[in-house]
Amino acid sequence: EPEVTQTPSHQVTQMGQEVILRCVPISNHLYFYWYRQILGQKVEFLVSFYNNEISEKSEIFDDQFSVERPDGSNFTLKIRSTKLEDSAMYFCASSEIGSRNTIYFGEGSWLTVV
Amino acid sequence: SQQGEEDPQALSIQEGENATMNCSYKTSINNLQWYRQNSGRGLVHLILIRSNEREKHSGRLRVTLDTSKKSSSLLITASRAADTASYFCATDKSSGSARQLTFGSGTQLTVLP
Repeated sequence: EPEVTQTPSHQVTQMGQEVILRCVPISNHLYFYWYRQILGQKVEFLVSFYNNEISEKSEIFDDQFSVERPDGSNFTLKIRSTKLEDSAMYFCASSEIGSRNTIYFGEGSWLTVV
Repeated sequence: SQQGEEDPQALSIQEGENATMNCSYKTSINNLQWYRQNSGRGLVHLILIRSNEREKHSGRLRVTLDTSKKSSSLLITASRAADTASYFCATDKSSGSARQLTFGSGTQLTVLP
């Protein structure tokens, strides 16, 4: 079964540094997403992306965050000037067009800010 | 309670027993999805049930949806130790194709061998 792949699986970064998390969505999917899960908390929506632009974003997704599809396969989340509270598991997801379609998640990238 | 709240928070059963987890939500939805997460791992999609469906089966999984009560249940029959994981419901109320799932806090299921 096709899957969403994410790299790195785990990254430790110093507070204030920039981090880029990478994702390869399922190849025929056109909608891409980032979600995050702080340890012990719910999975939270960050942003959705379609046709090379953000389609929706949550209040969490402020100017510190940005997303990009630099080529035909990758989808990235950049976090600038990381803070301790950015430590979380970040999940990339993708889906086909249409509200009846499943959203498939990757294994996640665990970010630890120290 | 918030959108997509599961109960119980934790459930411990013996292998071979059935496990039932419930999810309640507040707003109207297009569909509801159940996911599984092993500790520290990714979210694995289990089943999607649309708002016009009442019941859906997939292998040992049975999901029901009652939109009048704004609730859903996930039944795992003949549980196995490998079913030990956290189970989340996620509601989708998006009107367009861009989808924003709202997750519950999850039920931690432990299946004892």
